[in-house]
Amino acid sequence: DIQMTQSPSSLSTSVGDRVTITCRASQSISYYLNWYQQKPGKAPKLLIYAASSLQSGVPSRFSGSGSGTDFTLTISSLQPEDFATYYCQQSYSTPHTFGQGTKLEIK
Amino acid sequence: EVQLVESGGGLIQPGGSLRLSCAASGLTVSSNYMSWVRQAPGEGLEWVSVLYRNGNTYYADSVKGRFTISRDNSKNTLYLQMNSLRAEDTAVYYCARSNSENYYVVDYWGQGTLVTVSS
Repeated sequence: DIQMTQSPSSLSTSVGDRVTITCRASQSISYYLNWYQQKPGKAPKLLIYAASSLQSGVPSRFSGSGSGTDFTLTISSLQPEDFATYYCQQSYSTPHTFGQGTKLEIK
Repeated sequence: EVQLVESGGGLIQPGGSLRLSCAASGLTVSSNYMSWVRQAPGEGLEWVSVLYRNGNTYYADSVKGRFTISRDNSKNTLYLQMNSLRAEDTAVYYCARSNSENYYVVDYWGQGTLVTVSS
């Protein structure tokens, strides 16, 4: 199975900050990397697919980059509604494993 | 509009069985790559099982031999039969569709159903 490692696991941030979350795969996954946002008690929401494609309806302050084994999710200017947990997921090979999550907390 | 609606969760004793259902509307279960993903309380997302369009299945090692994924095409419903349940199976279970035409991204999720395994 492909292991996905996210960092950091948590981050204390402020509204307006630029935030970068990284995700590393244990082997090359090409562009098969997706990012989800999850708020408490809710199902995950797709933000970015294929490493850098923005899902319809997602604000442009979210962006993704990377290929192969190293990927990043960037939020250019954090908004109050962005405080949540973020997960990466590889969909290159079954099982489509998730990273352990990054929780954004208010500083 | 696509909707995935899970049901069947609840409190069950260790060693017991439950069957989860995921009723789909707006998409055809048999034409899609359908998965179950779970989330233990306070923990991250764990992919559990997938049912391919061709009927092939795959399971996480943690549930292999105990869980069975299936579908009823006439009801457009996905199932997860869970046997020999353990405390560590306690989680919210989500039904999910992976879009095979778009990098297999999970673009639709159900609302989740809570399974609690406890005596």
